[in-house]
Amino acid sequence: IAGITQAPTSQILAAGRRMTLRCTQDMRHNAMYWYRQDLGLGLRLIHYSNTAGTTGKGEVPDGYSVSRANTDDFPLTLASAVPSQTSVYFCASSDGGRGGEQFFGPGTRLTVL
Amino acid sequence: EDKVVQSPLSLVVHEGDTVTLNCSYEVTNFRSLLWYKQEKKAPTFLFMLTSSGIEKKSGRLSSILDKKELFSILNITATQTGDSAVYLCAVGDGSSGNTGKLIFGQGTTLQVKP
Repeated sequence: IAGITQAPTSQILAAGRRMTLRCTQDMRHNAMYWYRQDLGLGLRLIHYSNTAGTTGKGEVPDGYSVSRANTDDFPLTLASAVPSQTSVYFCASSDGGRGGEQFFGPGTRLTVL
Repeated sequence: EDKVVQSPLSLVVHEGDTVTLNCSYEVTNFRSLLWYKQEKKAPTFLFMLTSSGIEKKSGRLSSILDKKELFSILNITATQTGDSAVYLCAVGDGSSGNTGKLIFGQGTTLQVKP
């Protein structure tokens, strides 16, 4: 693994189903983030984690949950998917410096029907 | 409410042209301003600016920050078709208790025609 990986690459999901998007980094970064990207709205922060064991809410957290059991993994769960959650999801990490560079994963394209 | 606004939202130029992309911000606890380039997939880092008036340069790309007027510009000279991408501006939130949260603008879509 080099950098950040995300899985799956893309997914079509029926509304009401549960889905977990996976994110793994091998850079030993303390901080990790989940964003969604929608046309015309840029990247919006869903949840973040400053260190393993802690999480926080971003700008658009409703309908999503996260966990951070260890440094490397930061899964994002949609408990009951809705069509408005159709988006491209990016995971990112940084070494913990405030306002510093974030490294992004390749993204997951999710379609909720 | 903190916000980052980019302009223009889209731009079409021809190879060899020079372009200037704009980013203005209103962020309570400014820490830094970052520029990213996004082609097909993940955004890739270009610059991070923390001090006013100091230009950062990488090849044909350069950027500068004005913390008094709360904006930054990204210049690309002698554009090439490979510069076609979405350019994202983000401001680092330096609030106590958070670690490096970024507030993104909407992005500027640049298309460079041959």
